[in-house]
Amino acid sequence: QQQVKQSPQSLIVQKGGISIINCAYENTAFDYFPWYQQFPGKGPALLIAIRPDVSEKKEGRFTISFNKSAKQFSLHIMDSQPGDSATYFCAGGVYNNNDMRFGAGTRLTVKP
Amino acid sequence: GAVVSQHPSWVICKSGTSVKIECRSLDFQATTMFWYRQFPKKSLMLMATSNEGSKATYEQGVEKDKFLINHASLTLSTLTVTSAHPEDSSFYICSASSRWRGANTEAFFGQGTRLTVV
Repeated sequence: QQQVKQSPQSLIVQKGGISIINCAYENTAFDYFPWYQQFPGKGPALLIAIRPDVSEKKEGRFTISFNKSAKQFSLHIMDSQPGDSATYFCAGGVYNNNDMRFGAGTRLTVKP
Repeated sequence: GAVVSQHPSWVICKSGTSVKIECRSLDFQATTMFWYRQFPKKSLMLMATSNEGSKATYEQGVEKDKFLINHASLTLSTLTVTSAHPEDSSFYICSASSRWRGANTEAFFGQGTRLTVV
C-alpha cells in the first residue's frame, strides 16, 4: 500500500534554517499531492497541496516543488521555527476521490 | 477550514469487547468518509472508504467483520472494532469530504482516537 516514499525519516534544523522533505510517488494516476502537519496525539492538518499543472506552489514560508517527469515533489519550509516541530506527511491521490496514500512521515525538530 | 470531530479522543477497553468510534462532520455534509489507522511513529494506513448510504470499501488486508463501518447519515460515520484484542491498539483517524459539482472537495481530518485494548 506504500505508494508514496518519503525521506528523510527525521530532520533536525536550526531556527531560521530551511527544512526540506522529499517524496516520490509511483502511481501515475495521482493528480493531487498534499502535505500534512501532525502534532503528537492530533489528527493531520492540511498544510499545502499541489496539482501537476504547476511546478511550484508557495504559501507563506511553505513551498512545494513538483517534478512530474521524475514523479517527485518536495516541501521546503523557509525560516524554520521551533513551532514547526511536528511530523510531516506527504500524500498522493486522485483529486476527485480524496483516496490518498501517505508517505511514512518525517519528524522535524527545529532547534532554537 | 471545515471541522471534523471524533469521539472519543481516547478509549481503553478490555480484550474481547467491542468499541465504537464516531466521526462527525460539524459544518458540512460529508458524502465520503475515510478511516485510517496509525501506529506509533508510523504513517497513516487507509483502512476503508465509506460513502453515505452504501457499504464501505475496505483496503486489502483489512478485516471487514472486525472493523465495522457505518455511514448512515451525511454527518456521521462510525467505526466499530469488534472483539478487540491488544494488537488492535492504535490511533484511529477519520477524514471527511463532500461533493461539489461532481467532484470531491478537500478532505478534513478528525483529531483521532487512541484505542488501547488491555
